[in-house]
Amino acid sequence: GAVVSQHPSRVICKSGTSVKIECRSLDFQATTMFWYRQFPKKSLMLMATSNEGSKATYEQGVEKDKFLINHASLTLSTLTVTSAHPEDSSFYICSVGGGGARTDTQYFGPGTRLTVL
Amino acid sequence: DQQVKQNSPSLSVQEGRISILNCDYTNSMFDYFLWYKKYPAEGPTFLISISSIKDKNEDGRFTVFLNKSAKHLSLHIVPSQPGDSAVYFCAASANFGNEKLTFGTGTRLTIIP
Repeated sequence: GAVVSQHPSRVICKSGTSVKIECRSLDFQATTMFWYRQFPKKSLMLMATSNEGSKATYEQGVEKDKFLINHASLTLSTLTVTSAHPEDSSFYICSVGGGGARTDTQYFGPGTRLTVL
Repeated sequence: DQQVKQNSPSLSVQEGRISILNCDYTNSMFDYFLWYKKYPAEGPTFLISISSIKDKNEDGRFTVFLNKSAKHLSLHIVPSQPGDSAVYFCAASANFGNEKLTFGTGTRLTIIP
C-alpha cells in the first residue's frame, strides 16, 4: 500500500501560537488527501478533504480559518492550526485515498500528537 | 449523530479463541465497509473490507460478515493471537472507500495469553 509520513510526530506549543503539520505521500501521487482528528477514546473525525491545486473541502463545524490546509503538490499536504488553544489538543492523522495495490481504501499516516498548553 | 456505532468499547479474548467485533450503521447509503486496526500513537492500518454486494469476505485469520438488512457487520479473528491486541475501528463509505469514511468509536481488543 501507499506509504504516508507525517511530521512532526509530536508537538507541544503555547496557547496562541500556530502549528504546521506536514503529510507526505512517499510513493504515491495523491490528488486527494484527508485530514482527521481523534480525541481520546473517541472516533476519528474527518476534518477536511485536501485537493491538490485547489481549495480544501471542510466538514461541517470545522473552521476553515483556524485549520488552514494547503495541498501544493501531489505528495505534500499541510495542516496549520492557527492561534492554537488547549481545546485543539488532539491526535491529527492524514490519509491518502487509495493507491498501491488497492484502490478501494485509504492509507493513513502515523499521526501527530498536538498538545497546546 | 453517530452513523457508525461500535457498542462494545472493549473486549477480552483468550489466545487461540475467536474474537468477534461488532459494528452497526444507520445510513443506508453506505455501500462499502472497512475494518482498521490501530495501535496507540499510530495511524490506523487497513485490515479487511467488504462491499455491499457480498455478505462475507475472508482474508487469512480475518473474516468480515455483512448483514445489510440488519445494517450490521462483524469482524471475526480466529485464532486470536497476542499481537491482535489493539483498537479496532469499523468504517463505512458511500463510494468504495476512496470517498469520505465515517468511523465507529472503536473497540479495544485484548488477547489474554
